Amino acid sequence: NAGVTQTPKFRVLKTGQSMTLLCAQDMNHEYMYWYRQDPGMGLRLIHYSVGEGTTAKGEVPDGYNVSRLKKQNFLLGLESAAPSQTSVYFCASRRKLAGDHNEQFFGPGTRLTVL
Amino acid sequence: AQSVTQLDSHVSVSEGTPVLLRCNYSSSYSPSLFWYVQHPNKGLQLLLKYTSAATLVKGINGFEAEFKKSETSFHLTKPSAHMSDAAEYFCVVSGDNYGQNFVFGPGTRLSVLP
Repeated sequence: NAGVTQTPKFRVLKTGQSMTLLCAQDMNHEYMYWYRQDPGMGLRLIHYSVGEGTTAKGEVPDGYNVSRLKKQNFLLGLESAAPSQTSVYFCASRRKLAGDHNEQFFGPGTRLTVL
Repeated sequence: AQSVTQLDSHVSVSEGTPVLLRCNYSSSYSPSLFWYVQHPNKGLQLLLKYTSAATLVKGINGFEAEFKKSETSFHLTKPSAHMSDAAEYFCVVSGDNYGQNFVFGPGTRLSVLP
């Protein structure tokens, strides 16, 4: 099992450019998440998905869009990148179980710099 | 609404001495609580989780945490620090039944001195 993988690992964009980050998981998890990590702020939820074809906004969704066309993939898009989106982006997945005690599995992260 | 406070942004200990990383939470639901560790330039790895089965939870690498409902705390401890424990530690609370409401604390950076 590869677990959760993210593509690319690093990227540098110019202001106004667009890009898509890909997250893939091979654990057949129902839930998937996109977070951004900034110094001193922990991880903040951007968008999440509770199943194929469904997405929802998290805490900081502005400037991002997502799609989950296949259960194993969760894409994060930046339509017009801004310097404020310079961050490390983490994808996570989680199995759907009764109750709420199962953990998230995280990818290795994508370091994005917007100039 | 759920929230997490990690009382120390940075903790420094000597190798072989105890580690205490503090976490307080607020939740309107019966919470699930987690500690994750992040080594430099790496993803997050689960250390341990509270599942309501036992208030004292044992995790990997000798870490443990105690859930205290009356104090709304979930502090992480380890009897003897190792150099490899130097990392960022995050306390996380979730509180709903839909798997969407995870709230991360800001993190505590643990330094281990030789």
